[in-house]
Amino acid sequence: QQQVKQSPQSLIVQKGGIPIINCAYENTAFDYFPWYQQFPGKGPALLIAIRPDVSEKKEGRFTISFNKSAKQFSLHIMDSQPGDSATYFCAASHPNRGARQLTFGSGTQLTVLP
Amino acid sequence: EAGVAQSPRYKIIEKRQSVAFWCNPISGHATLYWYQQILGQGPKLLIQFQNNGVVDDSQLPKDRFSAERLKGVDSTLKIQPAKLEDSAVYLCASSIQGFYNSPLHFGNGTRLTVT
Repeated sequence: QQQVKQSPQSLIVQKGGIPIINCAYENTAFDYFPWYQQFPGKGPALLIAIRPDVSEKKEGRFTISFNKSAKQFSLHIMDSQPGDSATYFCAASHPNRGARQLTFGSGTQLTVLP
Repeated sequence: EAGVAQSPRYKIIEKRQSVAFWCNPISGHATLYWYQQILGQGPKLLIQFQNNGVVDDSQLPKDRFSAERLKGVDSTLKIQPAKLEDSAVYLCASSIQGFYNSPLHFGNGTRLTVT
């Protein structure tokens, strides 16, 4: 019940394309869904996050779509650029004694070709 | 603000040896996490501290892993003895206590290779 399943494992798009990464979860106690971006040799960095009372959130070229009934959420990257090439992790979080824990998906390695 | 500091950046040891990793979180962040990231996988939580107390260590292999956070600031994660399957990146993260949706800030990790 603590798993977050992420797909695809890898994704290659042309510059300007719209890569879509999907995640699914089972635990209905999750109440916060962030996406993290990780470049080689660096730690993950928060990209965008959503709460389940919202169906969509946009920040710049990044959009999260959230389907609470299906327990699925996805990341869309509009007008993708070579600099977006990185590994993307979805995650889910629930409160734990006043602090948060994150359960991560397995990651999607995105390559944006110039 | 300064980020989460971790050292060393890389460590190579032989199996059955011991190793220690150090983390200094962002100033004022009460919650500190250690994650293990095996190549090609997402980070997996090992232990979570709130100030200097352990909140969750249910996924920490306690027969070989130990962690402490003295004085509620920096933290040390130790492996003794190491096994081949411990080869991974060990990530430290911190967040502000008590704030809903407080993001985790990660360090750049320590890459451990066990031969």
